[in-house]
Amino acid sequence: QVQLVQSGAEVKKPGSSVKVSCKASGGTFSSYTISWVRQAPGQGLEWMGRIIPMLGIANYAQKFRGRATISADKLTSSAYMELNSLRSEDTAVYYCARDPLESLGVFDIWGLGTMVTVSS
Amino acid sequence: QSALTQPASVSGSPGQSITISCTGTSNDVGSSNLVSWYQQHPDKAPKLIIYDVTKRPSGVSNRFSGSKSGNTASLTISGLQAEDEADYYCCSYVGSIVFGTGAKVTVL
Repeated sequence: QVQLVQSGAEVKKPGSSVKVSCKASGGTFSSYTISWVRQAPGQGLEWMGRIIPMLGIANYAQKFRGRATISADKLTSSAYMELNSLRSEDTAVYYCARDPLESLGVFDIWGLGTMVTVSS
Repeated sequence: QSALTQPASVSGSPGQSITISCTGTSNDVGSSNLVSWYQQHPDKAPKLIIYDVTKRPSGVSNRFSGSKSGNTASLTISGLQAEDEADYYCCSYVGSIVFGTGAKVTVL
């Protein structure tokens, strides 16, 4: 069974950047897209964007265009989400999630999440 | 893209049935069969329980069912159990993926 293994918790200063990784263990990214979804403390889920690893094509929610960069390395079955110009409101758990190519918004496997804290 | 609207909380007694609504517009829920539902227990990652409005992934209890009418999708939990106490999120896709505001289910 494929698992998505995410990198560890991060503490960042306002204005800096963070890069979170997500590696498929026990499988590959073929035939799937990888999305990034975040959840601020006590808040709901927020979709940030996704990538088709086999093609390297990414698209983003309007809110994150220009500030987030999603990338992937198909050889290592890893995906990455980099968020720039961090502010306190970016404090959240960041999840990666797998979505079959033929569907949209069907996240059948999730990573455990990476806590990113933005604090001076 | 605005979040889909869900009730903040829904409650029921063990064994009862409850329904959680997810209201969008004719531009998202109303025009798409790409509606999914997720269950999230505290400090856990979400879990897919319904996709394509009515389909259940393998291993998900048949006590969970989905439907849609107009701009509103619904998740029904029948035979409510203590383990169903969690947050539930709907999700739809029309050009971009959007989640609902989330509903907290309490088992009385």
